[in-house]
Amino acid sequence: GQQVMQIPQYQHVQEGEDFTTYCNSSTTLSNIQWYKQRPGGHPVFLIQLVKSGEVKKQKRLTFQFGEAKKNSSLHITATQTTDVGTYFCAGPIRVTGGGNKLTFGTGTQLKVEL
Amino acid sequence: NAGVTQTPKFRILKIGQSMTLQCTQDMNHNYMYWYRQDPGMGLKLIYYSVGAGITDKGEVPNGYNVSRSTTEDFPLRLELAAPSQTSVYFCASSRFEGDQPQHFGDGTRLSIL
Repeated sequence: GQQVMQIPQYQHVQEGEDFTTYCNSSTTLSNIQWYKQRPGGHPVFLIQLVKSGEVKKQKRLTFQFGEAKKNSSLHITATQTTDVGTYFCAGPIRVTGGGNKLTFGTGTQLKVEL
Repeated sequence: NAGVTQTPKFRILKIGQSMTLQCTQDMNHNYMYWYRQDPGMGLKLIYYSVGAGITDKGEVPNGYNVSRSTTEDFPLRLELAAPSQTSVYFCASSRFEGDQPQHFGDGTRLSIL
């Protein structure tokens, strides 16, 4: 079936290092959303990208939507301990019977060591 | 702003017991969802609803039931609890489907022993 995959599954970095997670869809997406889930918490919406090739920034976080609208990336510059958590991408996948279902990626768990 | 409220936050059940996980939202969202998240894993959709009186199965519906009698409430029912249903359950809502962000509740941590 149609899926949204993320790599890597886990990433350990030293504080101050950069981090990137990649999201790939088996089908073209009308938009891509990114969520962050802190340990023990719930997913929280970060941002939505809609346009082909779109790049958005939130402080040290840079989000990019691929030209073909089938992939996306999240890059964190100079990670801090507050960046710890799991990052999920999500995109609407067409389902049988019509309509789109927001399908979450497999997630990338980020750990930041001092 | 309460957003999406889930109760209880924690629960331990014995095998074969039943319970209802409550979810209510005050954002007047049409779409509501139930997910389960096993330790270290992603989100799996159990059931969803596009509005009052309308529900549909997600990826892993077996062992669960839902109802949506009002826009605000979307309870999840476990009829015969099994150890495989030990998980964290998240309720979420969105204004529209697919192109709007989902708002999540704090979750219910359920253990079945």
